[in-house]
Amino acid sequence: QSVLTQPPSVSGAPGQRVTISCTGSSSNIGAGYDVHWYQQLPGTAPKLLIYDNSNRPSGVPDRFSGSKSGTSASLAITGLQAEDEADYYCLSYDSSLSGRVFGGGTKLTVL
Amino acid sequence: EVQLVESGGGLVQPGRPLRLSCAASGFTFDDYAMHWVRQAPGKGLEWVSGISWNSGVTAYADSVKGRFTISRDNTKNSLYLQMNSLRPDDTALYYCARSPRSSSPSAMDVWGQGTTVTVSS
Repeated sequence: QSVLTQPPSVSGAPGQRVTISCTGSSSNIGAGYDVHWYQQLPGTAPKLLIYDNSNRPSGVPDRFSGSKSGTSASLAITGLQAEDEADYYCLSYDSSLSGRVFGGGTKLTVL
Repeated sequence: EVQLVESGGGLVQPGRPLRLSCAASGFTFDDYAMHWVRQAPGKGLEWVSGISWNSGVTAYADSVKGRFTISRDNTKNSLYLQMNSLRPDDTALYYCARSPRSSSPSAMDVWGQGTTVTVSS
């Protein structure tokens, strides 16, 4: 059971918009700790997609965006493409655990 | 080129130790905190341990506390994970990753390709 809760799966057709939620608590996201998002393609290492809640590293398309409010954060992907099919993870810090915590991951399927 | 290369994985019997290494190149190593993250077969990512740039602060997931020890050698641009009393549920692909020095926990922005640890008799 992950400290950060993500839906196990989401899906969408090419061109559509999907969102992935990451729900935490008052000891992590709600305490003000930043949320970061990763994309993991099959058989590869995770890749940083969004850092500090809403910032994109250089090279990440602006189809990817992040937001945070209260004890939750969200990753939005617009203009869905086949190459976006991957697992997505949120990451934050938990003060009760004194360490980093990942969400359980969400598998995105492009229909 | 910024690079992290893990090594030291392999097949080990339950209860035995194993030491993982991560060689960093292409960046100023002591500008970054470092982490170990693992992924069991078919499962999600699990943060294992982290160490500050000067080794002054270390942290561990509850699942490995008391069994694993993280360390670094800034003169060798290397990160280590000493794993003792290994259990079958420690079987995973172990990644090392860096995060920029910051006043708050920052993102892990560069990852290695991982080294596989299998704990089995």
